[in-house]
Amino acid sequence: GDSVTQMEGPVTLSEEAFLTINCTYTATGYPSLFWYVQYPGEGLQLLLKATKADDKGSNKGFEATYRKETTSFHLEKGSVQVSDSAVYFCALESGGGADGLTFGKGTHLIIQP
Amino acid sequence: GAVVSQHPSWVICKSGTSVKIECRSLDFQATTMFWYRQFPKQSLMLMATSNEGSKATYEQGVEKDKFLINHASLTLSTLTVTSAHPEDSSFYICSASELGTGETEAFFGQGTRLTVV
Repeated sequence: GDSVTQMEGPVTLSEEAFLTINCTYTATGYPSLFWYVQYPGEGLQLLLKATKADDKGSNKGFEATYRKETTSFHLEKGSVQVSDSAVYFCALESGGGADGLTFGKGTHLIIQP
Repeated sequence: GAVVSQHPSWVICKSGTSVKIECRSLDFQATTMFWYRQFPKQSLMLMATSNEGSKATYEQGVEKDKFLINHASLTLSTLTVTSAHPEDSSFYICSASELGTGETEAFFGQGTRLTVV
């Protein structure tokens, strides 16, 4: 079955540091890939997505590129802010919207001023 | 973006009682809603897919008589945890996809923390 593996946290960085959160996946066919973010006390929000190989999703300074050859979708940001502190989930969907998402365990990101 | 409201955000109940969790799409219609469960330090696990007007589809290992799902309208799905026990304590999250847009984006509720004592 489908699965998503992402780096364990917590990840603690200083403000303005470069961020990478690794995500690799296993799926049949050609899944869509997502990054969701969960701020304290709130629900999951879609951060970015990519639906086919070599697509780059981007939002709020975050980027991730769909790499089919390495089955990866690593999340990056060049300069993090304290407000980026949250839990980040990598996920895939391989049913064209009819199936639910398969999530990674989540990575808790802590940005210190 | 679209808003999904989940209620209650937390609930404490006694062992043996039943608890109902509501998931509403506030500004769009959703033919399909999904229910997830999250254990501490674990990923969200899909429990069931809720389809308006038809029976829910449960993932392997999820007891359908234990977790009753009703999707009575295009804006409301409910999950009832029947005869709850301490091992049912968890974080439950719903999501909904907008009807007819062709998009695969799912919008999530804020989750419900269930504690069974």
